[in-house]
This record gives sequence, C-alpha cells and structure tokens, in this order.
Amino acid sequence: AQSVTQLGSHVSVSEGALVLLRCNYSSSVPPYLFWYVQYPNQGLQLLLKYTSAATLVKGINGFEAEFKKSETSFHLTKPSAHMSDAAEYFCAVIKAAGNKLTFGGGTRVLVKP
Amino acid sequence: DTEVTQTPKHLVMGMTNKKSLKCEQHMGHRAMYWYKQKAKKPPELMFVYSYEKLSINESVPSRFSPECPNSSLLNLHLHALQPEDSALYLCASSLPGGGNSGVILRGNEQFFGPGTRLTVL
Repeated sequence: AQSVTQLGSHVSVSEGALVLLRCNYSSSVPPYLFWYVQYPNQGLQLLLKYTSAATLVKGINGFEAEFKKSETSFHLTKPSAHMSDAAEYFCAVIKAAGNKLTFGGGTRVLVKP
Repeated sequence: DTEVTQTPKHLVMGMTNKKSLKCEQHMGHRAMYWYKQKAKKPPELMFVYSYEKLSINESVPSRFSPECPNSSLLNLHLHALQPEDSALYLCASSLPGGGNSGVILRGNEQFFGPGTRLTVL
C-alpha cells in the first residue's frame, strides 16, 4: 500500500527564514505526489505535484519540492517565509486506482515576525 | 470558472434530522469526491464518482448517502447522524481522463471546495 509520512506535526519559522517540510513516501511503483495547503476554515489548495516529468517541481507562492527516489522523499521548501505562509500543509500520494488521494498527517507552519 | 462551491458553509443538525450537503463545479470535471476531515487531522476519502457513477465507497456508514444527479452536482444526504460525525466535509473534482470507461487517470489534480462544517448535536 502506498502511504506518506510527514515528519513534524508543527514547524515554527521566522519571517524571511527557510521553510522545510518533510515528506517520505512508501511505494512499490513510481508515485504521484502532491503538496496541498489548507488555510484556517478553508479547503485545500494545490501547491505542486510530481508526476515523473521532472524531479524538481516548482509550485505556487514560491514553493518547490524535489523528488528523490533514493531517499523516497518529496520535501517541500520555500527560501523565505512570509507571514501569509502560516497554514497546514499536507503531502499526499495517489493510490493505484480511482485517483484516490492518501494524505500524510499534516504539518502546521507558524511564522514568527 | 475554476471553482468548486459547497453549500451550506455551516450546518447544525440533530441526530434525527435529515439534511443534504451540496457541491457544484463547472469545470467540466467528470470525477467528483467527498472527503471527511476531523479537527487537526488530514482529509479521508469517503466516496468517488466517475461519470456520475459511484466508483469508490470507502466503507462509509449508510447514514451517509451520496448522489450525483448530473455532471456538475454532487450531493451528500445525511440521516440519523451521530455526534462523532461532526467534521468538515470537503468536496473535490478532477478530470477523469479515461474516456467513457469511467477510469480516472492517476495524477489528475483534485480541486477542492471550501467545505461544509457540520455539527451534530
């Protein structure tokens, strides 16, 4: 079964500092991987997705993620945190059939002034 | 129009009530999904519709009854719910990409609505 693990349920960063959110997947086949962001009391918005076209994926709002097969990782980064980045971030993987998303546990990002 | 809308935003109901959640999209997506999200937890898939046919039911209790009356609408009918069913209910849609076979191509982005926050008293 395919699944994802997010290391760290909470991350606190200073405004302007690097944001690094960790995601590891388990998969016996090349996975489809996604990062979603959820702001308070809102739905999920896609930040970026990996579908085997390129290992470094650029997304919206300055985020990017690198797919590393050897490490089974898909970590999300942003060079400089902004106050508006405070939100919950979910890594997700597609299961084999039905485009079914399976989410990691989520990481809540707090940005300090 | 790249939006998924959900109504109502908030719903409070008693355990004997019958209510419905509605979801609508006009992006031409033929795959639609219901997710349940408890507080401080990730969303969990409940149902998937492909070309208006139910293709996945994640062993959801029968007190939740989905309906897809046309390609733009998705309903979730609620009856005899329990307090533990209180959660944020999210609707999503995506391109299926698999033609009329009903197969949903992996990797198609799911667009999420803002959700309905349900409280069962």
